[in-house]
Amino acid sequence: EAGVTQFPSHSVIEKGQTVTLRCDPISGHDNLYWYRRVMGKEIKFLLHFVKESKQDESGMPNNRFLAERTGGTYSTLKVQPAELEDSGVYFCASSQQGQGEKLFFGSGTQLSVL
Amino acid sequence: AQSVTQLGSHVSVSEGALVLLRCNYSSSVPPYLFWYVQYPNQGLQLLLKYTSAATLVKGINGFEAEFKKSETSFHLTKPSAHMSDAAEYFCAVSKRGGGNKLTFGTGTQLKVEL
Repeated sequence: EAGVTQFPSHSVIEKGQTVTLRCDPISGHDNLYWYRRVMGKEIKFLLHFVKESKQDESGMPNNRFLAERTGGTYSTLKVQPAELEDSGVYFCASSQQGQGEKLFFGSGTQLSVL
Repeated sequence: AQSVTQLGSHVSVSEGALVLLRCNYSSSVPPYLFWYVQYPNQGLQLLLKYTSAATLVKGINGFEAEFKKSETSFHLTKPSAHMSDAAEYFCAVSKRGGGNKLTFGTGTQLKVEL
């Protein structure tokens, strides 16, 4: 069974550019989460999808970040325009429906904004 | 609000020695507690979780953690370190019924020396 897949694994862009990160969750997982780790700091929650609906987007930093999950399958996280402080590792995770279900993480996208 | 404090961003032990990684949490209500491990170039993997059953929780790879309410602690231990345990370890907390919206600590990098 394929795990959570994230693409690209690394992205280097200049300030002001746009970047789109993609996450393919485990097939059949209704819950999809985005987390971010800025260098040297804790991993922080960004948002949570249940199928195609945003359940909780309280962790999104600002309106330069847009997450979508069309059709309830894969998800994208777009940053437009990117700023220096957006650099970090973006993790996607998925779980099956229901409380207490195990969370499976992707290996992350390392974003560097220069 | 919930928070997690991991004491020691870097811990070094000798192979065969006891591993002790410290985690203290703050939560206004009884939480769920987790330990995750991240090996190089991989996603986070769940080591173990506490959900209110036994206070001593056994996880994978010989790790265990004990929930101590009076100390608000959830320290991770392993009796004998192995070279393959070298990784970064994250303690996390979530609200009961809060799904997988996790609040992480800043992580502890474990180094195992011969």
